[in-house]
Formats: sequence, structure tokens, C-alpha cells
Amino acid sequence: QQQVKQSPQSLIVQKGGISIINCAYENTAFDYFPWYQQFPGKGPALLIAIRPDVSEKKEGRFTISFNKSAKQFSLHIMDSQPGDSATYFCAARGQGAGNNRKLIWGLGTSLAVNP
Amino acid sequence: ETGVTQTPRHLVMGMTNKKSLKCEQHLGHNAMYWYKQSAKKPLELMFVYNFKEQTENNSVPSRFSPECPNSSHLFLHLHTLQPEDSALYLCASSQDEGRPGELFFGEGSRLTVL
Repeated sequence: QQQVKQSPQSLIVQKGGISIINCAYENTAFDYFPWYQQFPGKGPALLIAIRPDVSEKKEGRFTISFNKSAKQFSLHIMDSQPGDSATYFCAARGQGAGNNRKLIWGLGTSLAVNP
Repeated sequence: ETGVTQTPRHLVMGMTNKKSLKCEQHLGHNAMYWYKQSAKKPLELMFVYNFKEQTENNSVPSRFSPECPNSSHLFLHLHTLQPEDSALYLCASSQDEGRPGELFFGEGSRLTVL
């Protein structure tokens, strides 16, 4: 079964520090890699996404780094703030059509940013 | 109106009850989804509707019955559930099924089965 392995399961960072969450995938037939952010009591919300033809994408303090050869991608949160405390999910979307097109999700990383 | 609205937010039901979860999206999207979120598990896709037609059913037990009367509304009918069905049920929408990565989620319905 296709899998996306996410680590760490939980992360504690001091305010102003860098938060790094990693994901690895096994299937090369993925064409879109989104990251979702979920606050307690809320649904996940798309944070940032990358396609495999790009090695890095930056939006404000959030950066995705993508290593196609290693089949890994990571989320970096620069200058982490207490308001960034949430659960972060990586995902990968299959190519093709139908059932192959659905998202495969990581298990999530619970991030706590201490003030 | 928020993008995707789910009701009720919390539901407690016995194993013999019948209840329904409702989802409404105000984004003009054509695809709608039901997901199950449980601790220690990846998000589980249950059902997909595209232009009101069910396009995917991921081997979900028949005690879960979806209904999509139009592109803006999605229901999940529940009957004779089991305690292991207790979870957060998330509704999501996307512009079309071709872009399932760009999902807009509701806040979820927290279901507890006694």
C-alpha cells in the first residue's frame, strides 16, 4: 500500500526557532505534495504545496524543500510563533485518474511553540 | 458564511440510533468528500462525489450511507454504528475532482458511539 511517512510525531520549539517536519514517500507516481495545518477544533487547511519539478517553494515563513531523488519533502517554519502551534499533515497525490488520484496522508506532527 | 459548514459539531449516539451529518459548501465547488479522522491513523477518505455523482467508495461499511442532493450539500446517514466508529468526520470540497489536493475542510462533526 502506498504510504507517506511523517516525522516527528511531535515537536516542541522555542519562539523564534525553526520547526522542521519531514515526510518520505515510496511511490514515484505522485505529482503534488500539499501540507495542511489543523488547529484544535478545526478542520485541516491547506498551508502550502509543491510539485515535483520544483525543489523549493517559499510562502512567508513557510518553506517546502523537495528532494525528488530521495523521495523526501519537508516543511520548514522560520521564526516559529506560538500561533503556529497546530498539527501539520503532509500528503501526496497520485497521478493518473480515479482511485490513483486521491491523497495519501501522513500521520501528522503536533507542533508546540513555547513563548 | 464560512466556506464549508458542518452540523452538528458534536453527536453522541447509541448503537441502535439513526442520525445524519450534514455538510454545506458555499465555494461553488463541484466535488465533495467525507473523511474520517481518528487518532494515530492517517485521514481516511470515505466517499467522493463529483457533480452529485458518487465516484468513490473506499470499502466503507454499509452502516454509513452518503447522500448528495446537489453540488452544495452532502449528508452522511448513520445507523447501527459501532463504538470503533467514534471519530471526527470531516467534510471537504474542491473545485473539481481533478484537483483533490486543494481541499477545503469543514470543522468536522465529532461522533461518539456508546
